[in-house]
Amino acid sequence: QVQLQESGPGLVKPSQTLSLTCTVSGGSISSGGYYWSWVRQHPGKGLEWIGYIYHSGRTYYNPSLKSRLTISIDTSTNQFSLRLGSVTAADTAVYYCARDQRGYGSFDSWGQGTLVTVAS
Amino acid sequence: QSALTQPASESGSPGQSITISCTGTRSDIGAYNYVSWYQQHPGKAPKLMIYDVSNRPSGVSNRFSGSKSGNTASLTISGLQAEDEADYYCSSYTSSDTLLFGGGTSLTVL
Repeated sequence: QVQLQESGPGLVKPSQTLSLTCTVSGGSISSGGYYWSWVRQHPGKGLEWIGYIYHSGRTYYNPSLKSRLTISIDTSTNQFSLRLGSVTAADTAVYYCARDQRGYGSFDSWGQGTLVTVAS
Repeated sequence: QSALTQPASESGSPGQSITISCTGTRSDIGAYNYVSWYQQHPGKAPKLMIYDVSNRPSGVSNRFSGSKSGNTASLTISGLQAEDEADYYCSSYTSSDTLLFGGGTSLTVL
């Protein structure tokens, strides 16, 4: 049973870069044809797809975040990462990493989520 | 890209059936059979309940079913139980190679 765990700072200053890592255990990040994803949820709000990456390194991003976003993968450590630049208070959210079965939005495994607050 | 449209809330009594709708466009729901549904309890991560419009992952109760007609997908929960009280989100793949979520529906079991 694959497990995902987010890690990173819980507080980021405005205009700085938000960086999170998702560690995958119980399976190889390189196998199975999965898409490794980030989803966020603003406090009291709905889910927002951020983007995902295939083990080959190909990425797919939410157009509204694309200019500030980088998702990368490290198959040697079984981790993938999110970097979101020039953050504002509007980026305060719970950030989830998740596994998409085939890249069509069927997220079958999720991390527990981590709250990132953007504040000075 | 705008979120898919879901009713903000629905409610039903134990044992009843309820249906939650999710409306998109011909560029997302109407274009592909890649609609998924998620259940989220407070403070928890979402859980996949339906994928590819009507498929249930292993372990999900057969009280949950999905369907689609045109640009609208639906999640039906039959035999409502107290544990079904949660937020429900739909998602769809789009013609832009992106994913969209619905705004979410809060289900109350009366």
